[in-house]
Amino acid sequence: DGGITQSPKYLFRKEGQNVTLSCEQNLNHDAMYWYRQDPGQGLRLIYYSQIVNDFQKGDIAEGYSVSREKKESFPLTVTSAQKNPTAFYLCASSIFADYEQYFGPGTRLTVT
Amino acid sequence: KQEVTQIPAALSVPEGENLVLNCSFTDSAIYNLQWFRQDPGKGLTSLLLIQSSQREQTSGRLNASLDKSSGRSTLYIAASQPGDSATYLCAVTGQAGTALIFGKGTTLSVSS
Repeated sequence: DGGITQSPKYLFRKEGQNVTLSCEQNLNHDAMYWYRQDPGQGLRLIYYSQIVNDFQKGDIAEGYSVSREKKESFPLTVTSAQKNPTAFYLCASSIFADYEQYFGPGTRLTVT
Repeated sequence: KQEVTQIPAALSVPEGENLVLNCSFTDSAIYNLQWFRQDPGKGLTSLLLIQSSQREQTSGRLNASLDKSSGRSTLYIAASQPGDSATYLCAVTGQAGTALIFGKGTTLSVSS
């Protein structure tokens, strides 16, 4: 089955630790995205990548980093510099930028 | 800066009722508009994508319309069912190569 996988579903970390969220797609999509969802705030764009080895910052990139070494993978690292990392993180992909986006099941990160 | 607003924030209807969800955006220069469904704690499911040159799209009991000049889109759900209960999100893509900008969603509850 084609789709987007995110792992793990739930992630718990202590404050001050970096953590990496996984996003993999087997849809052969060029573009991939990371969004953050907080209660009452909707989804906000963190980073996106239109092609391998290239990515752009979104509206709330501070405290996050990404890499795009392979077409099917777009991991997100939440660094200790992110002041409020507890949130629901969603990964998406589209065949090209501007086309229909498909989302993964999300990772809920809790930092205490 | 593009802003997307969804009204109402929450809606409760009895089963069988036809209903309309509203989405407005401040900048009419969009590339496309996408409607999503989100169940609690889950990722987003794409419902309909309307390209900027289109006026509407239909899928089963769902019909989405787009009026770019007035900055509005509506999602019409016919003969609502309890299984339609979810949060519905509207999102637009602006200039080519950019990612989605989301509204905060309308949470729909359909009672049997």
